[in-house]
Amino acid sequence: GENVEQHPSTLSVQEGDSAVIKCTYSDSASNYFPWYKQELGKGPQLIIDIRSNVGEKKDQRIAVTLNKTAKHFSLHITETQPEDSAVYFCAASRGSNFGNEKLTFGTGTRLTIIP
Amino acid sequence: DGGITQSPKYLFRKEGQNVTLSCEQNLNHDAMYWYRQDPGQGLRLIYYSQIVNDFQKGDIAEGYSVSREKKESFPLTVTSAQKNPTAFYLCASSGRTGSFAYQPQHFGDGTRLSIL
Repeated sequence: GENVEQHPSTLSVQEGDSAVIKCTYSDSASNYFPWYKQELGKGPQLIIDIRSNVGEKKDQRIAVTLNKTAKHFSLHITETQPEDSAVYFCAASRGSNFGNEKLTFGTGTRLTIIP
Repeated sequence: DGGITQSPKYLFRKEGQNVTLSCEQNLNHDAMYWYRQDPGQGLRLIYYSQIVNDFQKGDIAEGYSVSREKKESFPLTVTSAQKNPTAFYLCASSGRTGSFAYQPQHFGDGTRLSIL
């Protein structure tokens, strides 16, 4: 089955600096890669996702890059703000005519923004 | 507002008891999922259902059971056979399109289960 590894497990950055979280996956058939943000006591919230037919996607201060050959993808957050502090999860799955089904998650990165 | 509602937020179980966690969605999604989250670990899939009256085991189904009698509801029962049930349980749902498309999974705010 799919295995997703996520690094680092914790990350502290100064407010205004950039943060990068990296994930690798093992199943070459995986073609959908979402990123989730989880705040304390809440469920994960989708912040950005990417399909395997594109190499990069941006949404304001957030971007995700995908390298299919190396089987890794990364989350980039620029101009970090205190409200970016949370746990971030990457995930991978095979898309289908139904839609993405079994997501395999990384173990999470606790991001702390230092004011 | 459309969304996923999990109840209760906190649940306590005595040894040997079964408990049922509720998950309701009004997003008109076909697929629903249950995950377990432990500290320092990612989310692990317990069961999922793509359509009413059908469901499949995930990676850690032992000690759990589900039903899918209605499209909007997917309750999870944690049975006495689950030896380490203390965890944060998350329910999710996703939509469906007629074409080859990717439908994100949307999550509820979870139920925290503890053993007395």
